[in-house]
Amino acid sequence: DAGITQSPRHKVTETGTPVTLRCHQTENHRYMYWYRQDPGHGLRLIHYSYGVKDTDKGEVSDGYSVSRSKTEDFLLTLESATSSQTSVYFCAISEDWTHLGETQYFGPGTRLLVL
Amino acid sequence: AQKVTQAQTEISVVEKEDVTLDCVYETRDTTYYLFWYKQPPSGELVFLIRRNSFDEQNEISGRYSWNFQKSTSSFNFTITASQVVDSAVYFCALSEKAAGNKLTFGGGTRVLVKP
Repeated sequence: DAGITQSPRHKVTETGTPVTLRCHQTENHRYMYWYRQDPGHGLRLIHYSYGVKDTDKGEVSDGYSVSRSKTEDFLLTLESATSSQTSVYFCAISEDWTHLGETQYFGPGTRLLVL
Repeated sequence: AQKVTQAQTEISVVEKEDVTLDCVYETRDTTYYLFWYKQPPSGELVFLIRRNSFDEQNEISGRYSWNFQKSTSSFNFTITASQVVDSAVYFCALSEKAAGNKLTFGGGTRVLVKP
């Protein structure tokens, strides 16, 4: 199994509160991703990173920011949480971007409830 | 527009029955990859298979088999002699050359195998 951990695993917060989710990998993979999972939508890409300090937006990036100061850590921040951001958040990693079809491996997920 | 469609939202079978999960995709690329992931009740996402657009050979892995047909843009997944442990949500995903290594997921199919 890929060495990917996410913290916290569960969080309940209130609307308007800032929230930071952490993804940590021990595989030294260059590429990291944040997805959210909602019923009927599968997983949708929020942001991704292709190296330290190199990030870009995904399909549903509004309301989210990310940072990557070290290869092993990728942080997802909700600056001011809203109820629509209640979801399960997954981090994923892949070894190489340049090879199309590189398999992404997923972390265990973080369940976030915004009241 | 969603590029991966899993029309079956839920399938219920009795143990030892075969079950086929449909996946239909849309792409203008000639180079792309298709994936299947399994999400058991515990919530993690488990990689099952990756197939590129140039390889239409069907694949079998134990009780799992995959049928890739470019003519119908489908990549179907069959579980033979289902078991209770096969109960999970299964996701089909597409990675297109034009989109780099970003994955587009279908909405998922929940499989319930009853003893």
